[in-house]
Amino acid sequence: DTAVSQTPKYLVTQMGNDKSIKCEQNLGHDTMYWYKQDSKKFLKIMFSYNNKELIINETVPNRFSPKSPDKAHLNLHINSLELGDSAVYFCASSQDAGGGTEAFFGQGTRLTVV
Amino acid sequence: AQKITQTQPGMFVQEKEAVTLDCTYDTSDPSYGLFWYKQPSSGEMIFLIYQGSYDQQNATEGRYSLNFQKARKSANLVISASQLGDSAMYFCAMREGTGNTNAGKSTFGDGTTLTVKP
Repeated sequence: DTAVSQTPKYLVTQMGNDKSIKCEQNLGHDTMYWYKQDSKKFLKIMFSYNNKELIINETVPNRFSPKSPDKAHLNLHINSLELGDSAVYFCASSQDAGGGTEAFFGQGTRLTVV
Repeated sequence: AQKITQTQPGMFVQEKEAVTLDCTYDTSDPSYGLFWYKQPSSGEMIFLIYQGSYDQQNATEGRYSLNFQKARKSANLVISASQLGDSAMYFCAMREGTGNTNAGKSTFGDGTTLTVKP
């Protein structure tokens, strides 16, 4: 029973393509996140959603479009992929958006753009 | 601006010894949470320990404890009796706000790579 699951685990694609990463949590959490971890292992928040509503957008290019059909799902669609998009993308969720509870992470999606 | 600083890019510790990983933070929000995560070479992010800004006691979870010094804005992770399996990257993180009405940003430090020597 995976708490936060994201698919696919690996994604290799050519520049210019459009791709999606799916994320689902079965914890009943209100808040979900997308993080990007680059080749130097730096982790940066991209988006935060609370009860399907976008609450944080950290100056991510508009080629990245998150979608939350319900509070258990937060998908990430990326248009016109660029070499610099290559990274590991983590989905996470927490009970709420405040600082009172930990976030649980999915296993990550390693995106490679060639 | 919210910021997390981990000043030790790499640390070495002998098996069975204790090690402290440093973390300092900066925020103007009185309500925040501090978190430590472990990322082994397999890549998953594993939650270790949490400290709330209003908590009076230092958090402990098994061999992990958090040395919370609020006035100094530091939240160091102490791992006691290190094991070979502790070798990993460790991230300090902070999230501001209370509940859903005051949602805050989530920030991670740059990480510390810990190597446990046999």
